[in-house]
Amino acid sequence: DMKVTQMPRYLIKRMGENVLLECGQDMSHETMYWYRQDPGLGLQLIYISYDVDSNSEGDIPKGYRVSRKKREHFSLILDSAKTNQTSVYFCASSSGSANSDYTFGSGTRLLVI
Amino acid sequence: GEQVEQLPSILRVQEGSSASINCSYEDSASNYFPWYKQEPGENPKLIIDIRSNMERKQIQELIVLLDKKAKRFSLHITDTQPGDSAMYFCAARSTNAYKVIFGKGTHLHVLP
Repeated sequence: DMKVTQMPRYLIKRMGENVLLECGQDMSHETMYWYRQDPGLGLQLIYISYDVDSNSEGDIPKGYRVSRKKREHFSLILDSAKTNQTSVYFCASSSGSANSDYTFGSGTRLLVI
Repeated sequence: GEQVEQLPSILRVQEGSSASINCSYEDSASNYFPWYKQEPGENPKLIIDIRSNMERKQIQELIVLLDKKAKRFSLHITDTQPGDSAMYFCAARSTNAYKVIFGKGTHLHVLP
């Protein structure tokens, strides 16, 4: 069963702590994405990765960085988390072909206090 | 222009009636239009899509229409049921584009 797996599902962190969100996919997709979802704002693209060590900023990259050392793994890092980074974070992957859709992970619900 | 506008943001319909969600896009090179349904606490899931070589596509109670000239596309849910209550996102993707552009979502409430 092809899927995107996110860990952890829920996370509570204190302001200023570092946060690591992990994402894995078993479909050998080249392209992976990190989004955050907030009420009324829809899905906002944080970073996109075209393949290993080939990453690009999305629409809201400030306060985040990413790492992709293997095709199947894409990590989102928050150095010194802020309360306004409380959100639901979704990882997704795509084959990258012109008419391919996304497969989303189950999401990580992050609360920064 | 890479915006996708989606309206309405909230839609309430009576069970058994139809629901319509409308989206417009700016990039004339867009050629793939997926629709996602997101239930509370879940991730978005693809429910139907349409490519630019089509004007209409139907899967059971879901109908998608595409008007390339007007740069508009829409989702119609016929005979709505309580299980159709969810958030719906439209999206558009261009040839050679690595990402889809999402609308901001429509929260559909099907009232009993």
